[in-house]
Amino acid sequence: DVKVTQSSRYLVKRTGEKVFLECVQDMDHENMFWYRQDPGLGLRLIYFSYDVKMKEKGDIPEGYSVSREKKERFSLILESASTNQTSMYLCASTTDSSNQPQHFGDGTRLSIL
Amino acid sequence: GQNIDQPTEMTATEGAIVQINCTYQTSGFNGLFWYQQHAGEAPTFLSYNVLDGLEEKGRFSSFLSRSKGYSYLLLKELQMKDSASYLCASLNTGGFKTIFGAGTRLFVKA
Repeated sequence: DVKVTQSSRYLVKRTGEKVFLECVQDMDHENMFWYRQDPGLGLRLIYFSYDVKMKEKGDIPEGYSVSREKKERFSLILESASTNQTSMYLCASTTDSSNQPQHFGDGTRLSIL
Repeated sequence: GQNIDQPTEMTATEGAIVQINCTYQTSGFNGLFWYQQHAGEAPTFLSYNVLDGLEEKGRFSSFLSRSKGYSYLLLKELQMKDSASYLCASLNTGGFKTIFGAGTRLFVKA
């Protein structure tokens, strides 16, 4: 079974802090994604990566950056956290075949105070 | 634009059948996924349809009509553990971008 592991289930940070969310997958998947999930809005794509050192903006990249230095690891960075970035963050991965489902981590519930 | 619509909430009785509808308007459509998400947990894959018709998988079935931009998820013999959110998601061609609906929260009552 594919395992996608996010470093923290719950995280509390302060406004202006630089925040790192880490995600690791163990199935050698090419593609990795970062979403945020808010009530009534569903999953919104922040960034995705289809290869090491490659990244593409999703629908809501502002205020975020990402890093993919190794195939198995995809990091989301909040450069200067703000209260409107309080949310559930979900990481996902999938193979290169476009009809394969995404495999999600358990999520990180991030609160910015 | 790209949009996916599904009902916000539904309630059904244990043992019954429930149908969760999803309509989509997306460019470069390349298939439709359904995911289940229990509260506080990760979404998990249920089904994928790319051709018109019904795909059956145990108690769950999923239907797609590409011409109508419409899909539904059918859950039979409902169990209490089926209480969850069900996410409809459209896969676009030319990449890996998946557009998710806001999800339908299903409550199964005894």
